[in-house]
Amino acid sequence: EVQLMESGGGLVQPGESLRLSCAASGFTFSSYWMHWVRQAAGKGLVWVSRINSDGSSTSYADSVKGRFTISRDNAKNTLYLQMNSLRAEDTAVYYCARGGVIVPSAINGWGQGTLVTVSS
Amino acid sequence: DIQMTQSPSSLSASVGDRVTITCRASQGISNYLVWYQQKRGKVPKLLIYAASTLQSGVPSRFSGSGSGTDFTLTISSLQPEDVATYYCQKYNSAPLTFGPGTKVDIK
Repeated sequence: EVQLMESGGGLVQPGESLRLSCAASGFTFSSYWMHWVRQAAGKGLVWVSRINSDGSSTSYADSVKGRFTISRDNAKNTLYLQMNSLRAEDTAVYYCARGGVIVPSAINGWGQGTLVTVSS
Repeated sequence: DIQMTQSPSSLSASVGDRVTITCRASQGISNYLVWYQQKRGKVPKLLIYAASTLQSGVPSRFSGSGSGTDFTLTISSLQPEDVATYYCQKYNSAPLTFGPGTKVDIK
């Protein structure tokens, strides 16, 4: 069973940094693309970033490009999202998500999410 | 960047009704489209990928069609457990933009 456990969320002030982690288990982590998706309260899903299986390729939403960095440690089965220069509009639940086997960008496994609140 | 729109933004239908949700891309994306279902308080669930391929375990009353810029998700006979918000997402290239969602309720 796919298990994804996010951690690292919390309350920060605008301009500050935060690093999210996602511990994966129940599948061969190093074989899958991974994604971060966020959802503000009562709002829709927003794709944030993705990383390929060996970490050699990454992509970002325009709204976070240059501020967020996705990375992974396949030896530790862990996905990360380093978030710098945080803004109020980054406030959301951040989901760690796993891509599919046939379609790596089709997300078929989700964590329960970690809440990031950016407020002064 | 390619923008994704969905219509309607919400709908209310009776149990047993046929329900159709439309997703439109601002540029052609071939068949690189997925559909998700998100029930209240739950994480999203993958329904369909490659525009029309049903994910394993998804009831056959769900179907997808389309290519290029126009796509549809159809529920052939709406069930109470289908109350949810449905999202499309493109994946031809980054950014992997989601549509704004369509909320489906029972009348």
